[in-house]
Amino acid sequence: KNEVEQSPQNLTAQEGEFITINCSYSVGISALHWLQQHPGGGIVSLFMLSSGKKKHGRLIATINIQEKHSSLHITASHPRDSAVYICAVRADNQFYFGTGTSLTVIP
Amino acid sequence: EPEVTQTPSHQVTQMGQEVILRCVPISNHLYFYWYRQILGQKVEFLVSFYNNEISEKSEIFDDQFSVERPDGSNFTLKIRSTKLEDSAMYFCASRRSFTEAFFGQGTRLTVV
Repeated sequence: KNEVEQSPQNLTAQEGEFITINCSYSVGISALHWLQQHPGGGIVSLFMLSSGKKKHGRLIATINIQEKHSSLHITASHPRDSAVYICAVRADNQFYFGTGTSLTVIP
Repeated sequence: EPEVTQTPSHQVTQMGQEVILRCVPISNHLYFYWYRQILGQKVEFLVSFYNNEISEKSEIFDDQFSVERPDGSNFTLKIRSTKLEDSAMYFCASRRSFTEAFFGQGTRLTVV
């Protein structure tokens, strides 16, 4: 079983701040996903990573396979970024989810 | 942009009743998943499905649960005799072999 830990659990930031959310997992994986869950509950896939770094707009995701660690960065944060960000790892065709990081960006 | 569609968005059912949650995955996707999220808790894996059979399932996915892909487009989750603790948001997801998983918007199941 893969243990997925995220930090911090809750994060409040001022608009414009640079934000980092961290994810660690315990065993080898095929891929790691960063997901965004809005208050209504719907889930959006932001990134899938198996190595290196990906960038999409103001979002950057990195993964270090050796250290079993990934980070999600948000540059120039905006109130519309307020959501729960979830790290999920895929191993053996199962997904294991972190508990999520609740981000609130204040104008 | 292609998307995973789930229906209904909200279902209320009496305890002991059977429910079927429906999902239409993205058409060229090969792997299909069901997850659930009990209010205030983290998302939990239920089952994965590939090549018309279950490939993995969690301890949650007991004999009360079943999945089907009846017509090549729909992917359904059936709960045979619902319990109060089955109340949760149920998410369907699909992917091709080396791509991101795409999630549906979820079905909120309330068992009363």
